[in-house]
Amino acid sequence: QKEVEQNSGPLSVPEGAIASLNCTYSDRGSQSFFWYRQYSGKSPELIMFIYSNGDKEDGRFTAQLNKASQYVSLLIRDSQPSDSATYLCAVRSSSASKIIFGSGTRLSIRP
Amino acid sequence: ETGVTQSPTHLIKTRGQQVTLRCSSQSGHNTVSWYQQALGQGPQFIFQYYREEENGRGNFPPRFSGLQFPNYSSELNVNALELDDSALYLCASRHGTSGTSTDTQYFGPGTRLTVL
Repeated sequence: QKEVEQNSGPLSVPEGAIASLNCTYSDRGSQSFFWYRQYSGKSPELIMFIYSNGDKEDGRFTAQLNKASQYVSLLIRDSQPSDSATYLCAVRSSSASKIIFGSGTRLSIRP
Repeated sequence: ETGVTQSPTHLIKTRGQQVTLRCSSQSGHNTVSWYQQALGQGPQFIFQYYREEENGRGNFPPRFSGLQFPNYSSELNVNALELDDSALYLCASRHGTSGTSTDTQYFGPGTRLTVL
């Protein structure tokens, strides 16, 4: 079982709709959870982090965390073509010494 | 801009050679992590340095080694390069502690290494 799992996609969403990205993790003691966006040929860019169960909203982005289910998600409202990118879920391990990434979900927003 | 810089931007080496990649952390950040990202994959954790000491390592062989300097800049060294080492190498810095930390990390632009 991979430590952090994501559906590789591609996920195609019409412009203006809600894009929903999901991630599961195996280390029940994980403490911190991050979403990064990566455009082709660029390095990952942090867009959200969440530490506590529940929802955290920042503009058009909402991160959701359910530690009991070991599940974290990212919702993007009013999707724009500029949101087309690969979204990486990352988890800080219980040892706190490393952050593990999933393989990413490729999101495509169609006009 | 994250304030994390890496050099060089691109590098071409041949199999068996050695390479050194460099990273300058964001001001105030004392922790640096290195990642290898193959095409179409997520970043794979290589190792992490906190205050000049390695304090975490991923599943990479010993020919991957590193250093962190007193100014918190860092190097990644790879010996005996193999074709599969071709990848984007990313460093990320944060202000951390030796224990639990909720601090976030920020990536540099990466070094694209091609091994022929």
